[in-house]
Amino acid sequence: EIVLTQSPGTLSLSPGERATLSCRASQSVISNYLAWYQQKPGQAPRLLIDDASSRATGIPDRFSGSGSGTDFTLTISRLEPEDFAVYYCQQCANSPLTFGGGTKVEIK
Amino acid sequence: HVQLQESSPGLVKPSETLSLTCTVSGDSLSSHYWTWIRQPPGKGLEWIGNIHVSENTNYNPSLMSRVTISIDTSKNQFSLKLNSVTAADTALYYCAGGLGWSADYWGQGTLVTVSS
Repeated sequence: EIVLTQSPGTLSLSPGERATLSCRASQSVISNYLAWYQQKPGQAPRLLIDDASSRATGIPDRFSGSGSGTDFTLTISRLEPEDFAVYYCQQCANSPLTFGGGTKVEIK
Repeated sequence: HVQLQESSPGLVKPSETLSLTCTVSGDSLSSHYWTWIRQPPGKGLEWIGNIHVSENTNYNPSLMSRVTISIDTSKNQFSLKLNSVTAADTALYYCAGGLGWSADYWGQGTLVTVSS
């Protein structure tokens, strides 16, 4: 099973700042089948990025994904108030699919 | 616009079977993978398993001995059964779906509590 480690656990930033979230896999993620989700309190997660770098439908372009192999990054170029949430990565290459532990982006 | 809605069993007794159904609207079940994911209160996400309309299924090995995912194309539904539940199975259960294995669309989630 592929273990995903997200860092940092919590990111304290101000609106307008840049957020950089990391997701590291215990083994290479085939074809970069790595997804990122955003979850706000009381809501279901929402797909942001698929295949490491493809934005899902309706996702603003301030969200971008990059990386390959075992190291992946989600970048939010300028934080908007609605971006403060928990972010999860998920590898979709090998069964069982696995999630990282999440990164909470909180208002500083 | 695809929408998913989980049934809501609410409370399940220890050692019994948890049964959930997800009703899909806005598209047929064909060509998609349909997934169950759970989230214990205050914790992260756990993938339970998925199914394709071809009835090919994949399960989390940690739950494989207790879980069955099935699909009913005539009702546009897919289902989860988890037997021999314990308090550790208390969680928010989500159904989800997508053209690939990632979850493009999600239900709102249903809280299942295991308690006598």
